[in-house]
Amino acid sequence: AIRMTQSPSSFSASTGDRVTITCRASQGISSYLAWYQQKPGKAPKLLIYAASTLQSGVPSRFSGSGSGTDFTLTISCLQSEDFATYYCQQYYSYPRAFGQGTKVEIK
Amino acid sequence: QITLKESGPTLVKPTQTLTLTCTFSGFSLSTSGVGVGWIRQPPGKALEWLALIYWNDDKRYSPSLKSRLTITKDTSKNQVVLTMTNMDPVDTATYYCAHSPSSTGPSAFDIWGQGTMVTVSS
Repeated sequence: AIRMTQSPSSFSASTGDRVTITCRASQGISSYLAWYQQKPGKAPKLLIYAASTLQSGVPSRFSGSGSGTDFTLTISCLQSEDFATYYCQQYYSYPRAFGQGTKVEIK
Repeated sequence: QITLKESGPTLVKPTQTLTLTCTFSGFSLSTSGVGVGWIRQPPGKALEWLALIYWNDDKRYSPSLKSRLTITKDTSKNQVVLTMTNMDPVDTATYYCAHSPSSTGPSAFDIWGQGTMVTVSS
């Protein structure tokens, strides 16, 4: 099974910061990579699929890149509503594994 | 507008079987390429993919839980049912169902239900 490893597990940032989260797959997954945002007590929300395609309605400050085994999620200018936990997920093969999550906290 | 909603018991005893129902609207599970999956999240922990069923009744399971899981669909009722046998306290989690859209290839989960919390305790 493919394992997904995110880094860092958590970090603190300020509104307006540019932040980057990394996701690494244990084997190549082409571009079959999604990013989700989850706020406390809420269901995950799809932000990006196919590694770099923005889901409809998601602000353009979110972007994704990468292919193969290494991927990044970037938030260009952090807003107050972006403080949340972010998960990557591969959908190249089964099981459709998620990363362990990256919590973005307010500095 | 696609919506999904999970339902089932909030409390089950160890060794019991859990049955969860995902009732959806806004799409048909008879449409080519469409799927519905189940994902769970223990309190304070990460998401865990459990199972996925497709329009053509193709079923996929997490290898670590495969012996305990069964996923079925009732297209006429717009429902997907997940059963998990031999429940244990470590299975305490919020269980989500999610929509996998039709695509020329594999798809992410674009719409999720609100989730249902299941506690396993005697």
